[in-house]
Amino acid sequence: AQSVTQLDSQVPVFEEAPVELRCNYSSSVSVYLFWYVQYPNQGLQLLLKYLSGSTLVKGINGFEAEFNKSQTSFHLRKPSVHISDTAEYFCAVLPYGDSSYKLIFGSGTRLLVRP
Amino acid sequence: EAQVTQNPRYLITVTGKKLTVTCSQNMNHEYMSWYRQDPGLGLRQIYYSMNVEVTDKGDVPEGYKVSRKEKRNFPLILESPSPNQTSLYFCASSSRDRPYGYTFGSGTRLTVV
Repeated sequence: AQSVTQLDSQVPVFEEAPVELRCNYSSSVSVYLFWYVQYPNQGLQLLLKYLSGSTLVKGINGFEAEFNKSQTSFHLRKPSVHISDTAEYFCAVLPYGDSSYKLIFGSGTRLLVRP
Repeated sequence: EAQVTQNPRYLITVTGKKLTVTCSQNMNHEYMSWYRQDPGLGLRQIYYSMNVEVTDKGDVPEGYKVSRKEKRNFPLILESPSPNQTSLYFCASSSRDRPYGYTFGSGTRLTVV
């Protein structure tokens, strides 16, 4: 079985500071990896995904994530956050060849950007 | 525009009153799925469908039903809603050729009183 752990339920940060949101996963098979963002009262938006190739993935809004296979991690980073980045962020995995095509989500990290 | 459309966006209902949340996609995707989102739990899969007339349970199917009579539609049915089904619901679809290309609907916030 697969699982995703987001180690921080909430991350407060000041505007223009860097931020890292942590994600670790457990899986007996290879996985695709995703980060989604949910702005207040909105749906899910894909920030970035890792399918294969370069382990550093760049996404929208200046976010990037690095896949570390040995540590089974996929941490999300942004060098300088804005107030508008305040949202909930979800890490998710999709196991290769899974017959249910099920995305497995972490519990989410609420990013709170303060002026 | 490629999209997954859910209706309604918001719904308040009473315990025991049957309801249906509709989901429709215009991308000719074979795969469709329902998730519920609860604070501190992330999103959990309720049901999924690999194609017309093919559905299966996800992780939290109790109290829900689905049907897939047409490729584009995948309604979620709550025959007798209870307060513990108060949640934010998302429909999603993807292609079997590109299972990582999930598209999510905008969500339905359901409150059962």
